[in-house]
Amino acid sequence: KAGVTQTPRYLIKTRGQQVTLSCSPISGHRSVSWYQQTPGQGLQFLFEYFSETQRNKGNFPGRFSGRQFSNSRSEMNVSTLELGDSALYLCASSIDGTGVSGANVLTFGAGSRLTVL
Amino acid sequence: KNQVEQSPQSLIILEGKNCTLQCNYTVSPFSNLRWYKQDTGRGPVSLTIMTFSENTKSNGRYTATLDADTKQSSLHITASQLSDSASYICVVSAKGSGYALNFGKGTSLLVTP
Repeated sequence: KAGVTQTPRYLIKTRGQQVTLSCSPISGHRSVSWYQQTPGQGLQFLFEYFSETQRNKGNFPGRFSGRQFSNSRSEMNVSTLELGDSALYLCASSIDGTGVSGANVLTFGAGSRLTVL
Repeated sequence: KNQVEQSPQSLIILEGKNCTLQCNYTVSPFSNLRWYKQDTGRGPVSLTIMTFSENTKSNGRYTATLDADTKQSSLHITASQLSDSASYICVVSAKGSGYALNFGKGTSLLVTP
């Protein structure tokens, strides 16, 4: 059974550029959530998608956006990159529609490490 | 404000020794508590999930305990191995609508030969 796949694994951008990250969840998982992880702040929730709808959103500026496709694959986009956006971006999938507050295991991908110069 | 505090921030132990990591939370109303292990350069992997009624759960050499009254959890690692070197993250869920996961900043564990 394939796990959660994130692409690309590493990327370098410069300030002002934009970036799109991709996440393919485990087959059958309908919920995909995104997180930013930095050494100082730890894991921070960005947003969660279920059945192509953004169901929950964290406290990040509008430069961070996402979407989910009918096959549950998800993308997140960061526009007008800032140095502080350098981080490991993780996505996670879970099986059903009760949401991440239920006792559903989140399965994480390996992450996309973004460096902004 | 819902918060999750983990201690220690980092820990170094000798291979074969036991260790205990702590997680204190103020999340309310409580739904469940999860421990994740994150190897360097990888995504977190779930170790245990505990609900309000569970006070102990084991996964191999990992044993998590939960005291819902004092809002504390611990993760005990027995007979540590070099492969246990990782960051251990405590995540507490709150009941209710909307996104309700609260993350600790993790404990970085290094097991040395």
